Amino acid sequence: DADVTQTPRNRITKTGKRIMLECSQTKGHDRMYWYRQDPGLGLQLIYYSFDVKDINKGEISDGYSVSRQAQAKFSLSLESAIPNQTALYFCATSGGFTGELFFGEGSRLTVL
Amino acid sequence: GQQVMQIPQYQHVQEGEDFTTYCNSSTTLSNIQWYKQRPGGHPVFLIQLVKSGEVKKQKRLTFQFGEAKKNSSLHITATQTTDVGTYFCAGDGGATNKLIFGTGTLLAVQP
Repeated sequence: DADVTQTPRNRITKTGKRIMLECSQTKGHDRMYWYRQDPGLGLQLIYYSFDVKDINKGEISDGYSVSRQAQAKFSLSLESAIPNQTALYFCATSGGFTGELFFGEGSRLTVL
Repeated sequence: GQQVMQIPQYQHVQEGEDFTTYCNSSTTLSNIQWYKQRPGGHPVFLIQLVKSGEVKKQKRLTFQFGEAKKNSSLHITATQTTDVGTYFCAGDGGATNKLIFGTGTLLAVQP
């Protein structure tokens, strides 16, 4: 089983709908992240959390919210999805000395 | 805010040719990491550089961190088709312990 699991892997929705992307990890890491990937733009940080009570905005947090339900779970919500939020979303975790990120398989979201 | 740029955005090489991607940060970095993302996959950690002027090698891959800790490079010697993918650098400014990714370089290798 994957150490970092994202659900759903693919989702098609309509403008204005509320969407939640979920991430769970079995690595025991305190730090969790949500990134968005668009072609030619690399990976942009949306939100990050260093423990259950610590939530921080990243580079592009507008239009998104997050919830850290437990050390192992970090959810990303789009309260009212819009077409330019169509992208590939990655959850990642890190822990230990190097700060190396471990990524999930990604959630592809299409907003029509 | 901190910005990390990479060039080139895309490179197409013949198998056996060398390849280099360059990473430049607008601010001094405490460390830099490199990741590889295969087509359809997720980014996978390759290496971290911490010291000014540091050079590290992994088989055919050579990673360098600039003296001023604002730039880095990844050089692949004698590319193979298995090297295909997008290579990202990611910089940690230190104050916030969050990684900012570069725009990535997509490498295509023709057999």
